[in-house]
Amino acid sequence: AQSVAQPEDQVNVAEGNPLTVKCTYSVSGNPYLFWYVQYPNRGLQFLLKYITGDNLVKGSYGFEAEFNKSQTSFHLKKPSALVSDSALYFCAVRPQTGANNLFFGTGTRLTVIP
Amino acid sequence: DSGVTQTPKHLITATGQRVTLRCSPRSGDLSVYWYQQSLDQGLQFLIQYYNGEERAKGNILERFSAQQFPDLHSELNLSSLELGDSALYFCASRGGGGLMTGELFFGEGSRLTVL
Repeated sequence: AQSVAQPEDQVNVAEGNPLTVKCTYSVSGNPYLFWYVQYPNRGLQFLLKYITGDNLVKGSYGFEAEFNKSQTSFHLKKPSALVSDSALYFCAVRPQTGANNLFFGTGTRLTVIP
Repeated sequence: DSGVTQTPKHLITATGQRVTLRCSPRSGDLSVYWYQQSLDQGLQFLIQYYNGEERAKGNILERFSAQQFPDLHSELNLSSLELGDSALYFCASRGGGGLMTGELFFGEGSRLTVL
Protein backbone atom coordinates (compact mmCIF):
# COMPACT_ATOMS: atom_id res chain seq x y z
CA ALA A 1 0.00 0.00 0.00
CA GLN A 2 1.13 3.52 -0.68
CA SER A 3 1.33 6.22 1.93
CA VAL A 4 2.79 9.63 2.58
CA ALA A 5 3.96 10.99 5.91
CA GLN A 6 4.43 14.63 6.76
CA PRO A 7 5.90 14.41 10.25
CA GLU A 8 5.36 18.06 11.16
CA ASP A 9 1.87 19.49 11.51
CA GLN A 10 3.29 22.98 11.87
CA VAL A 11 6.49 24.68 10.75
CA ASN A 12 7.39 28.21 11.77
CA VAL A 13 10.19 30.12 10.10
CA ALA A 14 11.33 33.73 10.12
CA GLU A 15 10.99 35.76 6.95
CA GLY A 16 14.16 35.59 4.90
CA ASN A 17 15.32 32.31 6.44
CA PRO A 18 15.42 29.05 4.51
CA LEU A 19 12.48 26.73 4.96
CA THR A 20 12.06 22.98 4.75
CA VAL A 21 8.81 21.02 4.83
CA LYS A 22 9.42 17.32 5.24
CA CYS A 23 7.81 14.43 3.41
CA THR A 24 8.51 10.70 3.38
CA TYR A 25 6.71 8.13 1.30
CA SER A 26 6.08 4.44 1.03
CA VAL A 27 5.18 2.99 -2.34
CA SER A 28 5.83 -0.07 -4.45
CA GLY A 29 8.29 0.58 -7.21
CA ASN A 30 9.36 4.02 -8.33
CA PRO A 31 7.18 6.87 -7.16
CA TYR A 32 5.76 9.92 -8.82
CA LEU A 33 5.91 12.67 -6.19
CA PHE A 34 4.10 15.99 -5.97
CA TRP A 35 3.82 19.05 -3.76
CA TYR A 36 0.66 21.13 -3.56
CA VAL A 37 -0.11 24.29 -1.59
CA GLN A 38 -3.45 25.37 -0.18
CA TYR A 39 -4.12 28.98 0.73
CA PRO A 40 -7.05 29.82 3.04
CA ASN A 41 -10.45 29.18 1.47
CA ARG A 42 -8.87 28.03 -1.78
CA GLY A 43 -8.32 24.75 -3.56
CA LEU A 44 -4.97 23.03 -3.79
CA GLN A 45 -2.46 24.44 -6.25
CA PHE A 46 0.31 22.43 -7.88
CA LEU A 47 3.87 23.46 -6.94
CA LEU A 48 6.16 20.85 -8.43
CA LYS A 49 6.61 17.20 -9.26
CA TYR A 50 9.25 14.51 -9.55
CA ILE A 51 8.76 11.88 -12.20
CA THR A 52 12.27 10.86 -13.19
CA GLY A 53 15.67 12.37 -13.81
CA ASP A 54 17.40 15.02 -11.73
CA ASN A 55 16.74 14.52 -8.04
CA LEU A 56 16.39 18.26 -7.49
CA VAL A 57 13.24 19.67 -9.04
CA LYS A 58 12.29 23.30 -9.22
CA GLY A 59 8.76 24.57 -9.10
CA SER A 60 6.58 27.62 -8.72
CA TYR A 61 7.25 30.61 -6.46
CA GLY A 62 10.91 29.70 -5.92
CA PHE A 63 10.22 26.34 -4.29
CA GLU A 64 12.29 23.26 -4.94
CA ALA A 65 12.28 19.70 -3.69
CA GLU A 66 14.87 16.99 -3.46
CA PHE A 67 14.07 13.37 -4.15
CA ASN A 68 16.11 10.98 -2.02
CA LYS A 69 15.43 7.39 -2.94
CA SER A 70 17.51 5.82 -0.16
CA GLN A 71 15.69 7.83 2.49
CA THR A 72 12.34 7.69 0.64
CA SER A 73 12.00 11.40 1.14
CA PHE A 74 10.88 14.35 -0.94
CA HIS A 75 11.41 17.45 1.19
CA LEU A 76 10.19 20.84 0.01
CA LYS A 77 12.62 23.71 0.32
CA LYS A 78 12.97 27.40 -0.34
CA PRO A 79 16.13 29.44 0.23
CA SER A 80 14.41 32.55 1.58
CA ALA A 81 10.88 32.44 3.02
CA LEU A 82 8.29 35.12 2.39
CA VAL A 83 5.31 35.97 4.59
CA SER A 84 3.13 35.18 1.58
CA ASP A 85 4.41 31.58 1.66
CA SER A 86 2.31 30.98 4.77
CA ALA A 87 -0.13 28.24 3.79
CA LEU A 88 -0.91 24.54 4.10
CA TYR A 89 1.44 22.30 2.13
CA PHE A 90 0.62 18.79 0.96
CA CYS A 91 2.95 16.12 -0.29
CA ALA A 92 1.42 13.48 -2.58
CA VAL A 93 2.55 10.25 -4.20
CA ARG A 94 1.37 8.18 -7.09
CA PRO A 95 2.81 4.72 -7.55
CA GLN A 96 4.31 4.10 -10.96
CA THR A 97 2.00 1.14 -11.45
CA GLY A 98 -1.42 0.45 -10.08
CA ALA A 99 -3.57 3.22 -8.65
CA ASN A 100 -3.84 6.18 -11.00
CA ASN A 101 -4.61 8.83 -8.44
CA LEU A 102 -2.72 10.83 -5.84
CA PHE A 103 -2.36 9.83 -2.21
CA PHE A 104 -1.87 12.88 -0.03
CA GLY A 105 -0.16 13.43 3.27
CA THR A 106 -2.02 15.12 6.10
CA GLY A 107 -0.47 18.48 5.37
CA THR A 108 1.97 20.83 7.07
CA ARG A 109 0.98 24.32 8.02
CA LEU A 110 3.80 26.75 7.28
CA THR A 111 3.85 30.07 9.07
CA VAL A 112 6.41 32.66 8.03
CA ILE A 113 6.95 35.21 10.77
CA PRO A 114 7.71 38.78 9.71
CA ASP B 1 -8.31 30.56 -10.97
CA SER B 2 -7.88 26.87 -11.75
CA GLY B 3 -10.80 26.71 -14.18
CA VAL B 4 -12.59 24.10 -12.05
CA THR B 5 -15.93 25.24 -10.68
CA GLN B 6 -17.67 23.72 -7.70
CA THR B 7 -21.13 24.48 -6.36
CA PRO B 8 -22.36 25.11 -3.79
CA LYS B 9 -19.47 26.65 -1.87
CA HIS B 10 -21.19 26.12 1.45
CA LEU B 11 -23.97 23.78 2.46
CA ILE B 12 -25.57 23.21 5.85
CA THR B 13 -27.94 20.33 6.31
CA ALA B 14 -29.25 17.89 8.89
CA THR B 15 -28.39 14.29 9.63
CA GLY B 16 -30.22 11.82 7.47
CA GLN B 17 -30.54 14.21 4.56
CA ARG B 18 -29.17 13.92 1.02
CA VAL B 19 -27.12 16.50 -0.87
CA THR B 20 -25.60 16.82 -4.32
CA LEU B 21 -22.32 18.55 -5.00
CA ARG B 22 -21.55 19.66 -8.51
CA CYS B 23 -18.27 20.07 -10.36
CA SER B 24 -17.46 21.54 -13.76
CA PRO B 25 -13.95 20.58 -14.83
CA ARG B 26 -11.56 22.75 -16.81
CA SER B 27 -12.55 23.12 -20.40
CA GLY B 28 -11.49 20.00 -22.28
CA ASP B 29 -10.49 17.96 -19.22
CA LEU B 30 -11.90 14.45 -19.35
CA SER B 31 -10.85 13.20 -15.91
CA VAL B 32 -12.58 14.27 -12.73
CA TYR B 33 -11.48 13.33 -9.23
CA TRP B 34 -13.33 13.79 -5.95
CA TYR B 35 -11.51 14.22 -2.64
CA GLN B 36 -12.73 14.68 0.91
CA GLN B 37 -10.75 16.89 3.26
CA SER B 38 -11.51 16.55 6.94
CA LEU B 39 -9.57 17.79 9.94
CA ASP B 40 -8.74 14.37 11.31
CA GLN B 41 -8.07 12.46 8.10
CA GLY B 42 -6.52 14.94 5.74
CA LEU B 43 -7.23 14.65 2.03
CA GLN B 44 -8.84 11.35 1.06
CA PHE B 45 -9.41 10.18 -2.50
CA LEU B 46 -13.00 9.18 -3.15
CA ILE B 47 -13.49 8.41 -6.82
CA GLN B 48 -12.31 9.18 -10.35
CA TYR B 49 -14.24 9.42 -13.61
CA TYR B 50 -12.88 9.59 -17.12
CA ASN B 51 -15.14 10.62 -19.98
CA GLY B 52 -18.24 9.40 -18.20
CA GLU B 53 -16.89 6.14 -16.87
CA GLU B 54 -15.72 5.28 -13.39
CA ARG B 55 -11.95 4.69 -13.45
CA ALA B 56 -10.85 4.36 -9.85
CA LYS B 57 -12.49 4.12 -6.48
CA GLY B 58 -10.94 5.05 -3.18
CA ASN B 59 -12.35 5.40 0.31
CA ILE B 60 -15.87 6.20 -0.81
CA LEU B 61 -18.71 5.13 1.45
CA GLU B 62 -21.64 3.15 0.07
CA ARG B 63 -23.89 6.07 1.05
CA PHE B 64 -21.97 8.19 -1.45
CA SER B 65 -22.18 7.96 -5.21
CA ALA B 66 -20.97 9.96 -8.16
CA GLN B 67 -21.38 10.25 -11.88
CA GLN B 68 -19.97 12.15 -14.80
CA PHE B 69 -22.35 13.40 -17.44
CA PRO B 70 -21.89 13.68 -21.23
CA ASP B 71 -21.00 17.35 -20.88
CA LEU B 72 -18.23 16.18 -18.50
CA HIS B 73 -19.54 17.83 -15.38
CA SER B 74 -19.69 15.57 -12.36
CA GLU B 75 -21.92 15.25 -9.35
CA LEU B 76 -21.19 13.71 -5.97
CA ASN B 77 -24.27 12.50 -4.13
CA LEU B 78 -24.11 12.09 -0.37
CA SER B 79 -27.05 10.41 1.34
CA SER B 80 -28.14 9.44 4.85
CA LEU B 81 -25.76 12.11 6.06
CA GLU B 82 -23.99 11.73 9.39
CA LEU B 83 -22.18 14.27 11.52
CA GLY B 84 -18.88 12.75 10.46
CA ASP B 85 -19.56 13.60 6.83
CA SER B 86 -18.93 17.25 7.58
CA ALA B 87 -15.91 18.13 5.50
CA LEU B 88 -14.59 20.04 2.55
CA TYR B 89 -15.20 18.19 -0.70
CA PHE B 90 -12.87 18.96 -3.56
CA CYS B 91 -13.18 18.22 -7.21
CA ALA B 92 -10.10 18.15 -9.42
CA SER B 93 -9.60 17.61 -13.11
CA ARG B 94 -6.89 16.85 -15.63
CA GLY B 95 -6.73 16.39 -19.33
CA GLY B 96 -6.22 12.72 -20.02
CA GLY B 97 -7.20 9.38 -18.61
CA GLY B 98 -3.85 7.73 -18.93
CA LEU B 99 -1.06 7.56 -16.41
CA MET B 100 -1.12 10.41 -13.95
CA THR B 101 2.17 12.19 -14.37
CA GLY B 102 0.91 15.73 -14.45
CA GLU B 103 -0.82 18.08 -12.12
CA LEU B 104 -4.39 18.06 -10.95
CA PHE B 105 -6.38 21.28 -11.08
CA PHE B 106 -8.53 21.72 -8.00
CA GLY B 107 -11.71 23.63 -7.47
CA GLU B 108 -12.20 25.74 -4.36
CA GLY B 109 -14.27 23.06 -2.69
CA SER B 110 -17.73 22.63 -1.24
CA ARG B 111 -17.89 22.91 2.52
CA LEU B 112 -20.54 20.60 3.93
CA THR B 113 -21.74 20.99 7.49
CA VAL B 114 -24.06 18.33 8.87
CA LEU B 115 -25.92 19.35 12.05
